[in-house]
Amino acid sequence: DADVTQTPRNRITKTGKRIMLECSQTKGHDRMYWYRQDPGLGLRLIYYSFDVKDINKGEISDGYSVSRQAQAKFSLSLESAIPNQTALYFCATSDIRDVDTQYFGPGTRLTVL
Amino acid sequence: EDQVTQSPEALRLQEGESSSLNCSYTVSGLRGLFWYRQDPGKGPEFLFTLYSAGEEKEKERLKATLTKKESFLHITAPKPEDSATYLCAVLRGATNKLIFGTGTLLAVQP
Repeated sequence: DADVTQTPRNRITKTGKRIMLECSQTKGHDRMYWYRQDPGLGLRLIYYSFDVKDINKGEISDGYSVSRQAQAKFSLSLESAIPNQTALYFCATSDIRDVDTQYFGPGTRLTVL
Repeated sequence: EDQVTQSPEALRLQEGESSSLNCSYTVSGLRGLFWYRQDPGKGPEFLFTLYSAGEEKEKERLKATLTKKESFLHITAPKPEDSATYLCAVLRGATNKLIFGTGTLLAVQP
């Protein structure tokens, strides 16, 4: 969905490096989410934010942090990347008027060597 | 523990050969069940939301149904462009946390 963009689309980094994944949306949605997808495990929620001042942990937040810089921007950081953080990362958004439906970005493929 | 199980893991159909994908779930206080389609290298694309047992939704060749324990995604006369991974997810109670299954990889051969 072109309304939700993620940068970079692909990234290879080394163990111990700090890395930031960025998500921007033009949908005007209040709520934003970060997921990771691993083969055989499905999508799992890392963090979510209902507005600029609201940040909540998901089921697998350890080793990650987030920043909601504006309504349209939500960044995910790996302070010290490790190989088992190699995965596909997706940002998603939802509208307060239809909170249940989430719209996903194209994803970032992250490889930690 | 909340759980979503999709079957089969992979399905290969001939063009025009109708079939169904299954999503069984155990969740406390189902608030909604969602179907997404995911193409290789792309993010999940929203298809349907079902809220109560007996509800049905249709879109082109796809029809989703819901019971108290499972949901089915029926694909009628599929075409090669229907090839994708289909993901099922549930939303529990007052949370905003989607719990995803691992998906069914559908391949439709011409």
